[in-house]
Amino acid sequence: NAGVTQTPKFQVLKTGQSMTLQCAQDMNHEYMSWYRQDPGMGLRLIHYSVGAGITDQGEVPNGYNVSRSTTEDFPLRLLSAAPSQTSVYFCASSFEGLRETQYFGPGTRLLVL
Amino acid sequence: GQQVMQIPQYQHVQEGEDFTTYCNSSTTLSNIQWYKQRPGGHPVFLIQLVKSGEVKKQKRLTFQFGEAKKNSSLHITATQTTDVGTYFCAGRTGSARQLTFGSGTQLTVLP
Repeated sequence: NAGVTQTPKFQVLKTGQSMTLQCAQDMNHEYMSWYRQDPGMGLRLIHYSVGAGITDQGEVPNGYNVSRSTTEDFPLRLLSAAPSQTSVYFCASSFEGLRETQYFGPGTRLLVL
Repeated sequence: GQQVMQIPQYQHVQEGEDFTTYCNSSTTLSNIQWYKQRPGGHPVFLIQLVKSGEVKKQKRLTFQFGEAKKNSSLHITATQTTDVGTYFCAGRTGSARQLTFGSGTQLTVLP
């Protein structure tokens, strides 16, 4: 198993550009989530999904969209990038939910100029 | 909303010294998880605590969950350079579908 994969590893955007961060898992996990990590602030939840076709907002959803058309994939879309979205983004998954181990991907480092 | 506070933010220790990080929640938690993130890496699950007063050990690491299920701690005995990284707690309340992470404690071990 590859586990949780994320692409790209690094990305530089200009303000106003849009892009999609990819996340995929091959463990047949139902629960998937996106976090952003900023210095001194830990991990903050952006969006999560409890299964295909079901998504919900986390703590900091503004400026981001998600969809879950398959169990395996959970892409994160930045609609119009802003410098405040410069961060490290982690995708995570677990088999059934939050009472189980969360498996994190390697992260995407995003710089918005 | 739920808040999870973690202290200290930074800790420098000499190799062989002990280390403790503390996690406090504003609300009662149904479960708490601990993660370790090496520099430049991603969070890796260490353990989960569910029961009031629970204590679990992993070699030199001891995890505790408070009686009121509002606080938790991670203690490392005789630190090694391999313990370097940031340690996060993450808690969930009731039937919430979200984990709330503490801000983490960054551990530096000096040889």
